[in-house]
Amino acid sequence: KQEVTQIPAALSVPEGENLVLNCSFTDSAIYNLQWFRQDPGKGLTSLLLIQSSQREQTSGRLNASLDKSSGRSTLYIAASQPGDSATYLCAVIYSGAGSYQLTFGKGTKLSVIP
Amino acid sequence: DTAVSQTPKYLVTQMGNDKSIKCEQNLGHDTMYWYKQDSKKFLKIMFSYNNKELIINETVPNRFSPKSPDKAHLNLHINSLELGDSAVYFCASSQYLGLAGAGNEQFFGPGTRLTVL
Repeated sequence: KQEVTQIPAALSVPEGENLVLNCSFTDSAIYNLQWFRQDPGKGLTSLLLIQSSQREQTSGRLNASLDKSSGRSTLYIAASQPGDSATYLCAVIYSGAGSYQLTFGKGTKLSVIP
Repeated sequence: DTAVSQTPKYLVTQMGNDKSIKCEQNLGHDTMYWYKQDSKKFLKIMFSYNNKELIINETVPNRFSPKSPDKAHLNLHINSLELGDSAVYFCASSQYLGLAGAGNEQFFGPGTRLTVL
């Protein structure tokens, strides 16, 4: 059974710092991995999608990497801003029990202090 | 224009009642999903429909029944509501079910907060 773990559960940094969020998964036979952000009381916003054949994706100040063999992904945020404060979720899609499965981590709550 | 919309945004009801949550996507996607986010903020997939056909049905009580009248809509009906059903329910869609394909990101609705009293 696929398990997704995100470390740390919460992170507080001063504005302007670069930071890394970690995601690990137990079954490396994934199709793709997606990073989301969730603002309090709001829905999810897709940030980056990395296919299993890719090693990284970039969007603005965000860079996500994927190492399937080690079961890890990182989300790098450059020059953090107070507007980046949110919960960041990692999700993996894989094949299991004859159908597609999707599993989320529990998220990392990021606070960027002005 | 809202890509994935859900109604209502908030739903407060008594135990034992039957309620529905509606979801619509205007992205022209083939696949739609329902997720449940519990009080610990953990997201778990409930159902997935591709072109009105049920694809994923996780271990969910049969009091929950998805209905897809067309591929742009996936409504969630819940019968005999229980206290433990209180959660935030998210609808999502993706272009197709080819999960190994390029760009098949999932787009989420704003969520429906269900409170069962």
